[in-house]
Amino acid sequence: DAKTTQPNSMESNEEEPVHLPCNHSTISGTDYIHWYRQLPSQGPEYVIHGLTSNVNNRMASLAIAEDRKSSTLILHRATLRDAAVYYCILKSGNQFYFGTGTSLTVIP
Amino acid sequence: DSGVTQTPKHLITATGQRVTLRCSPRSGDLSVYWYQQSLDQGLQFLIQYYNGEERAKGNILERFSAQQFPDLHSELNLSSLELGDSALYFCASSVAPGGASTEAFFGQGTRLTVV
Repeated sequence: DAKTTQPNSMESNEEEPVHLPCNHSTISGTDYIHWYRQLPSQGPEYVIHGLTSNVNNRMASLAIAEDRKSSTLILHRATLRDAAVYYCILKSGNQFYFGTGTSLTVIP
Repeated sequence: DSGVTQTPKHLITATGQRVTLRCSPRSGDLSVYWYQQSLDQGLQFLIQYYNGEERAKGNILERFSAQQFPDLHSELNLSSLELGDSALYFCASSVAPGGASTEAFFGQGTRLTVV
């Protein structure tokens, strides 16, 4: 599976928007972009996924670059409960291959 | 709550022993995945089952095995345990066998400590 590059860590103030970037320059045409997050001592949790168009759901928005070589997960108003490790994953087959993710700290 | 249930939540055992971890997928999900998460390796895919059949294998050791039963629950068997097997073991499930657009739902994990 193609690799993704994410910053190791980011900080955000509570109630402000957060933009979590992900680079995936080797993405293929059939790869979907998935985002999961893992809160401390919990299993990964599905956040959002997309192929080409921007996607919105109740948790977040996913902005995908026109060339698909990068994407951004947008949390519109960060809360303390959003503090987690966020994984950007390219998926073309059945399995998820997790990288190291971005550890998000939310400052009250 | 993801709907995926894993038992036990914690397990402490000695080196050389054998343990069984259990996973009940979300209602209606036919596919089960097992992952190992250790501090130095991150989340590693071990194995996937779909409707009772092995679908894909990842970095699973020969000392480890898994199966999925007719009622769709799955068990991961770890034998001849070593200190390095201490980790969190996660089970995930999905409706379909997989595919690029399919999301998976993870359980809370079983924390295995080998002493």
